[in-house]
Amino acid sequence: DVVMTQSPLSLPVTLGQPASISCRSSQSLVHSDGNTYLNWFHQRPGQSPRRLIYKVSNRDSGVPDRFSGSGSGTDFTLKISRVEAGDVGVYYCMEATHWPPAFGQGTRLEIK
Amino acid sequence: QVQLVQSGAEVKKPGASVKVSCKASGYTFNDYFMHWVRQAPGQGLEWMGWINPNSGDTNSAQKFQGRVTMTRDTSISTAYMELSRLRSDDTAVYFCLSGSYNYWGQGTLVTVSS
Repeated sequence: DVVMTQSPLSLPVTLGQPASISCRSSQSLVHSDGNTYLNWFHQRPGQSPRRLIYKVSNRDSGVPDRFSGSGSGTDFTLKISRVEAGDVGVYYCMEATHWPPAFGQGTRLEIK
Repeated sequence: QVQLVQSGAEVKKPGASVKVSCKASGYTFNDYFMHWVRQAPGQGLEWMGWINPNSGDTNSAQKFQGRVTMTRDTSISTAYMELSRLRSDDTAVYFCLSGSYNYWGQGTLVTVSS
């Protein structure tokens, strides 16, 4: 099975400052169809996860352009250009190229 | 709008089974696989499996094979996940999700305790 490794696991950030989360996979996430099925989710306490980014860099509807995804192969990054109070919670990367799909351990973003 | 509404919290004894339902609305139920994911208290997300609403075909992660049964009733746009031989470490919130992983249910807390 693919192992997804996120870093850091805890991310204290000052309001208005940028934040970056890394996600590395144990195998290439390039599918045989040419797509890379790497998603990013945000989970607030007590809520269901919400998808932010799909196929590495595509923002879901309603996701602010402060959020961006990048990367290729086995190395991926989620960036928040200016952190706001509502961004707190846990961020997960998830690969859906292989079976079974795999989540990273999660990165907890908090406001300093 | 798309909604996945799950059944309510359950408390079960070790060795028992639990069946969680997930009713879909706002989209054509047969258009997307229904997936199941769980989250133990304070922990991360763990994939369990999926069901194809069209065919009823299922696929589950090896860890759950032999213990998980996923079914659906297309007449009421509802998917079900049954987990048997429950253990204390099955205590978790169970989520259904559909679309391309972008529609999530609200979660169902299953507590396994003697």
